[in-house]
Amino acid sequence: EAQVTQNPRYLITVTGKKLTVTCSQNMNHEYMSWYRQDPGLGLRQIYYSMNVEVTDKGDVPEGYKVSRKEKRNFPLILESPSPNQTSLYFCASSRENTGELFFGEGSRLTVL
Amino acid sequence: EDQVTQSPEALRLQEGESSSLNCSYTVSGLRGLFWYRQDPGKGPEFLFTLYSAGEEKEKERLKATLTKKESFLHITAPKPEDSATYLCAVRRRSSASKIIFGSGTRLSIRP
Repeated sequence: EAQVTQNPRYLITVTGKKLTVTCSQNMNHEYMSWYRQDPGLGLRQIYYSMNVEVTDKGDVPEGYKVSRKEKRNFPLILESPSPNQTSLYFCASSRENTGELFFGEGSRLTVL
Repeated sequence: EDQVTQSPEALRLQEGESSSLNCSYTVSGLRGLFWYRQDPGKGPEFLFTLYSAGEEKEKERLKATLTKKESFLHITAPKPEDSATYLCAVRRRSSASKIIFGSGTRLSIRP
């Protein structure tokens, strides 16, 4: 079954404690991206990757890091989380860069 | 600045009552307008891609249309299972890797 898998699905953490949200896709997609979704603001792009070792900033990259060492994986790293990073995070992928994104189920992060 | 605005924010319809959702956009050089459906607690699910003014796409009770300034998602004789948030997104030629989403329309269909 074609899918994008994110872990963890839910996480409560404290300010400053480094965390990683993993994302893996089994569709051999070149393009992967991270979004955060906040009420009234919609989905905002954090980072994206066109292929292995190729990443670039989206609209809200501050406080986040990513890496793309393998085609299937695209982890999101919060080096020092702050309360304003409390949000619902989605990973997505697509073949090349068609815009027809497959989304994961989401990871709800709370930073206290 | 590129922008995507969806209206209304929320829409409640009776089962069978047809209506339309609006997505207006300002983007320099459109390279695709996308519609997604999002159910509570789930990730968005891709519905349609439109590339040029006058284009239409259909899927079951949904039909998406595109003009030079906006897109409509027409829902004909909706059923309760059509209840969801519908998201519109655009991609521009100059930065095709970035996809900009609207805030969505929350659609509720009463039996």
